Amino acid sequence: EIVLTQSPATLSLSPGERATLSCRASQSISTFLAWYQQKPGQAPRLLIYDTSNRATGVPARFSGSGSGTDFTLTISSLEPEDFAVYYCQQRTNWPFTFGGGTKVEIK
Amino acid sequence: EVQLVESGGGLVKPGGSLRLSCAASGFTFSKYTMNWVRQVPGKGLEWVSSISGSSTHIYYTDSVKGRFTISRDNAQNSLYLQMNSLRAEDTAVYYCVRDYQQVYVGWFDPWGQGTLVTVSS
Repeated sequence: EIVLTQSPATLSLSPGERATLSCRASQSISTFLAWYQQKPGQAPRLLIYDTSNRATGVPARFSGSGSGTDFTLTISSLEPEDFAVYYCQQRTNWPFTFGGGTKVEIK
Repeated sequence: EVQLVESGGGLVKPGGSLRLSCAASGFTFSKYTMNWVRQVPGKGLEWVSSISGSSTHIYYTDSVKGRFTISRDNAQNSLYLQMNSLRAEDTAVYYCVRDYQQVYVGWFDPWGQGTLVTVSS
């Protein structure tokens, strides 16, 4: 099973700041990585797939990069609605696995 | 508009059974792989099971193999999860999730609102 480790667990930032979230895989997953956003009381929402492709309707301030084992989700300038929990997920091998999440909170 | 509506959750005793259903609308159901993903309240996400459009390919996470059965009825636009021999560690919100694209399996979107399964005596 491929283990995804996200860091940091919590990121405290102010609106307008840049957020950089990390996801590390226990083995190479090429570029088969996605990012999801989950707000309290809501289901997750796909933001980025195949490392760097934004899903339909996702604002351009969200971007993804990386390959192999190290991946990054960047939010260029945090909007109030971006404070949430973010999960990475791989689809290279079954079982598909998720990281433990990074909470982006208001500082 | 794509909609996924789960039902069937509730309180069940350890060793008991429950059948979850997901009613899908707003897309050609038979063309998409469908999935169940669960989340312990306040914790992370765990993929549970996937079924291809024609039910040809079915996958489970190890912890539910032999206990859970995923199925679908394309005529009824419905997805199911039969859960037997339930354990306390199966307690979670269960989400019905469509694959984001028809071609590539494994990116999950959209998600239903979830149904809570609680296994407790």
